[in-house]
Amino acid sequence: DAMVIQNPRYQVTQFGKPVTLSCSQTLNHNVMYWYQQKSSQAPKLLFHYYDKDFNNEADTPDNFQSRRPNTSFCFLDIRSPGLGDAAMYLCATSREEETQYFGPGTRLLVL
Amino acid sequence: AQSVSQHNHHVILSEAASLELGCNYSYGGTVNLFWYVQYPGQHLQLLLKYFSGDPLVKGIKGFEAEFIKSKFSFNLRKPSVQWSDTAEYFCALRGGGFKTIFGAGTRLFVKA
Repeated sequence: DAMVIQNPRYQVTQFGKPVTLSCSQTLNHNVMYWYQQKSSQAPKLLFHYYDKDFNNEADTPDNFQSRRPNTSFCFLDIRSPGLGDAAMYLCATSREEETQYFGPGTRLLVL
Repeated sequence: AQSVSQHNHHVILSEAASLELGCNYSYGGTVNLFWYVQYPGQHLQLLLKYFSGDPLVKGIKGFEAEFIKSKFSFNLRKPSVQWSDTAEYFCALRGGGFKTIFGAGTRLFVKA
């Protein structure tokens, strides 16, 4: 009965090689979020989709992009990963501004 | 600017001890406040939330938190912790809109 699913759970990529992380949900929530969480730090919002509307945080690097082809799926694309992009990436969903439900995260390692 | 500060990065308690984790926030308007928990190897889960009304909110697993507006605080409490409460706890706030600001987290270790 998983509600927010993230694949893969662990991702290893090479410096500069594009990588895509995926998130799917069975909650039919209209808002989906991507957070970056570095070791021993707070989760930091990168962007969110309100329905099909993309909302980027002002300090999110251009290297990070997102796609939401339908209500259930949302992707995080990192165009040219650097060593500093190694982190846990968390997907979350909510119905409007209600409680957010988080996925298990994808841990990204950049070699 | 919105911010959340958690006072302790690591807390070690023995079973049956009382717990209080501090959380202070900075925001000038109406806030929604949350405590999330992350058990080892699991995803972030909501413990409790405050939107409005009674400032003492009760959550799952015997946790409660008190919103004190004058102190900009939302401390988490539990009268008697168990070994299974070992986890990382995050305080978070949401001001206007969808952005949620998280604190850096407090790692709680409960000795059996």
